[in-house]
Amino acid sequence: GAVVSQHPSWVICKSGTSVKIECRSLDFQATTMFWYRQFPKQSLMLMATSNEGSKATYEQGVEKDKFLINHASLTLSTLTVTSAHPEDSSFYICSARGPGGGKNIQYFGAGTRLSVL
Amino acid sequence: DAKTTQPTSMDCAEGRAANLPCNHSTISGNEYVYWYRQIHSQGPQYIIHGLKNNETNEMASLIITEDRKSSTLILPHATLRDTAVYYCIVRVSGKSTFGDGTTLTVKP
Repeated sequence: GAVVSQHPSWVICKSGTSVKIECRSLDFQATTMFWYRQFPKQSLMLMATSNEGSKATYEQGVEKDKFLINHASLTLSTLTVTSAHPEDSSFYICSARGPGGGKNIQYFGAGTRLSVL
Repeated sequence: DAKTTQPTSMDCAEGRAANLPCNHSTISGNEYVYWYRQIHSQGPQYIIHGLKNNETNEMASLIITEDRKSSTLILPHATLRDTAVYYCIVRVSGKSTFGDGTTLTVKP
């Protein structure tokens, strides 16, 4: 149980286009999801916390108009990178807070590698 | 959330136990210790967590000192597939903040 699915796993796009990444909790409801970004040879950096039915909370330094987060249901959160540029190329990882007794455990998706040309 | 300190890297022979230490001297009474690992180019994988008692599951054991200022993750019989970056995180609830972790290399 507690599987988090992320799609797509890899995306290549042209500079100036927008890219949407989906994160789904497959077998549980997740009222809270998290979005991280990871650059090569670095650790994960939290970008934002997404709560179902409300606006996301962004970490300091993360542009909310650049990285649009929507958490429309208890099983789906999306991250849209708007007007992507080469410096947005990174590994994006979503996470969902676990169900039931494991509700404080975060389960992670497999990640999305974004390459902006 | 309390800050954690881990060694940058460790090696372990295949089949032997891997003992990964973590210092969290500023931990507060209601903060849990969580361990995750990240195999190259994948999302982090939850391993185990605990508050003050030692814990064991099918993946690993977690030993927390009595004063809770440090802990050790034990992989009892390391395999080559256990090569990964291991992260120790201390928090009450909510978001996990990742440090640099320990890169464990299991060697044949």
